[in-house]
Amino acid sequence: AQKVTQAQTEISVVEKEDVTLDCVYETRDTTYYLFWYKQPPSGELVFLIRRNSFDEQNEISGRYSWNFQKSTSSFNFTITASQVVDSAVYFCALSEVPPSGGYNKLIFGAGTRLAVHP
Amino acid sequence: DGGITQSPKYLFRKEGQNVTLSCEQNLNHDAMYWYRQDPGQGLRLIYYSQIVNDFQKGDIAEGYSVSREKKESFPLTVTSAQKNPTAFYLCASSMTGGRSQPQHFGDGTRLSIL
Repeated sequence: AQKVTQAQTEISVVEKEDVTLDCVYETRDTTYYLFWYKQPPSGELVFLIRRNSFDEQNEISGRYSWNFQKSTSSFNFTITASQVVDSAVYFCALSEVPPSGGYNKLIFGAGTRLAVHP
Repeated sequence: DGGITQSPKYLFRKEGQNVTLSCEQNLNHDAMYWYRQDPGQGLRLIYYSQIVNDFQKGDIAEGYSVSREKKESFPLTVTSAQKNPTAFYLCASSMTGGRSQPQHFGDGTRLSIL
């Protein structure tokens, strides 16, 4: 069963538009962590944010903001006033401990490709 | 600057050949990971290592092997048993293997079949 769903495969916007990337997750853990990563065309994944399951406060960092809602198992990412440099693939990921214990596993969604046009 | 270095950036494999992808980190991280990324898909875990001289299989370990003889280094060998090796390979590290630790990534190796 898919545990991290990013339903939007590709999004295309014009510069200065706001855009929201959706992430829905599934877990039976009561303690877990959610992450967002950015993958620019160069290929490396850049860590953007970590959120633990006990902290439902929204977070804002410059033009980026994240909305965590435990009730709907969602952790959405909004870019305000998008810029061409925001063009990338964005991944949402869930970190949980498998039922058998041991290493915590980072489960990635399939990613959302964002294209910001001038 | 601290970071993760993967080499080479591009690699070509002939039929029946083993190839080794290099991953070095100078972040003093205990845990290291190898992922495979196929077009339009998320990352899938191949192998991980939480400490030196120890490593565990991930979700898609068949046809791959690793070693962890030094804290800084976690090379991945793609063996001839891996029938579909064409993919983008990403190495990552984290301070520990704990679930709260963000993983930091190298800029990848793109492997293709000749």
